Amino acid sequence: DVKVTQSSRYLVKRTGEKVFLECVQDMDHENMFWYRQDPGLGLRLIYFSYDVKMKEKGDIPEGYSVSREKKERFSLILESASTNQTSMYLCASSGRGRGYEQYFGPGTRLTVT
Amino acid sequence: GEDVEQSLFLSVREGDSSVINCTYTDSSSTYLYWYKQEPGAGLQLLTYIFSNMDMKQDQRLTVLLNKKDKHLSLRIADTQTGDSAIYFCAEREGGSTLGRLYFGRGTQLTVWP
Repeated sequence: DVKVTQSSRYLVKRTGEKVFLECVQDMDHENMFWYRQDPGLGLRLIYFSYDVKMKEKGDIPEGYSVSREKKERFSLILESASTNQTSMYLCASSGRGRGYEQYFGPGTRLTVT
Repeated sequence: GEDVEQSLFLSVREGDSSVINCTYTDSSSTYLYWYKQEPGAGLQLLTYIFSNMDMKQDQRLTVLLNKKDKHLSLRIADTQTGDSAIYFCAEREGGSTLGRLYFGRGTQLTVWP
């Protein structure tokens, strides 16, 4: 079974702090994704990566950056957390064959106070 | 970007069939997906269908694809209370090698005993 893990299920940070969210997948997938999920807005893509050290902006990249130094790990960084970044963050990965389906981690619920 | 639309809510009685509908805009989409999200969890892939298929059946799940109308549906037979969750429809961006998916906002399915 594909496994995508995220470093924390719940996180509480203060405004202005630098926040790291980590995601690891064990299926040797090329593509990795970071989404945020807010009530009524569905999933919105923040950033994605199709290879080590490669990244592409999604629909809402402002206030975020990413890092992919190893194939299995994709990090989302909030340089200076703000209250409007309180949300559920979901990581996903996909391969390049078959149905290109994405597999999701359990999510990190981040609260910025 | 692509636009994927779903109704927000559906309520059914236990034992009845549920039908969740979705429309999409990208006529070149190659794959379409259904995901399930239980409270506080990540998204779980239920099934996907390739665009040259009209129907796919997997146990209690039946996916119907009308490519002419760009309409996708998920039928759950003999719906159980454990099927209560949010269901997301997604399409894969046509012509893309990156595997980006576009998600609908999700349909909250409530199953009454």
